[in-house]
Amino acid sequence: AQSVTQLGSHVSVSEGALVLLRCNYSSSVPPYLFWYVQYPNQGLQLLLKYTSAATLVKGINGFEAEFKKSETSFHLTKPSAHMSDAAEYFCAVGNSGNTPLVFGKGTRLSVIA
Amino acid sequence: GAVVSQHPSWVICKSGTSVKIECRSLDFQATTMFWYRQFPKQSLMLMATSNEGSKATYEQGVEKDKFLINHASLTLSTLTVTSAHPEDSSFYICSAPGTGHNEQFFGPGTRLTVL
Repeated sequence: AQSVTQLGSHVSVSEGALVLLRCNYSSSVPPYLFWYVQYPNQGLQLLLKYTSAATLVKGINGFEAEFKKSETSFHLTKPSAHMSDAAEYFCAVGNSGNTPLVFGKGTRLSVIA
Repeated sequence: GAVVSQHPSWVICKSGTSVKIECRSLDFQATTMFWYRQFPKQSLMLMATSNEGSKATYEQGVEKDKFLINHASLTLSTLTVTSAHPEDSSFYICSAPGTGHNEQFFGPGTRLTVL
């Protein structure tokens, strides 16, 4: 079975500050890992994904994440927060083929001017 | 890129009525689609796996007689919420896998409100 734990249901940062959203996973097989962003009353937008290639993954909007197998982590970072980054962020884990994703509980990011 | 659409984007219905939500893969075929439910301020929870030409597979705790799933073609899966009640009010999201590394394409979601 696979699972995802997102530490911190709510993170608040100042505009221009570093964004760090934490995600730890559990998987009995090599995982595929994803970060999605969801704005209010909208669907999911893929930020980035890890699929066993480079451990440092760059995504859209300046976000990146690093896969650390030893720590079973896939934390999401962005060097400088923008007001437009305020949203709900979900980490998800999957494996090969036609299998659904397992989502973490989400982290709400607030950006303070 | 691959696109998944959902219709309607939102629906309000009276308690006891049935509501059908469509999920379409617009430019690719999907033998499998997934239906998720997201309650306010919560995460997405898998409800069922829709399989083209065969019965859907439901997650534990999801009533298959209440949430009817039909995957009639390689581009269309429907979720019918039968005899809807206020507790069924939620955001329903479908997804379809692509051909890449467990790539999932998500629909924009359907907001169901049952009065």
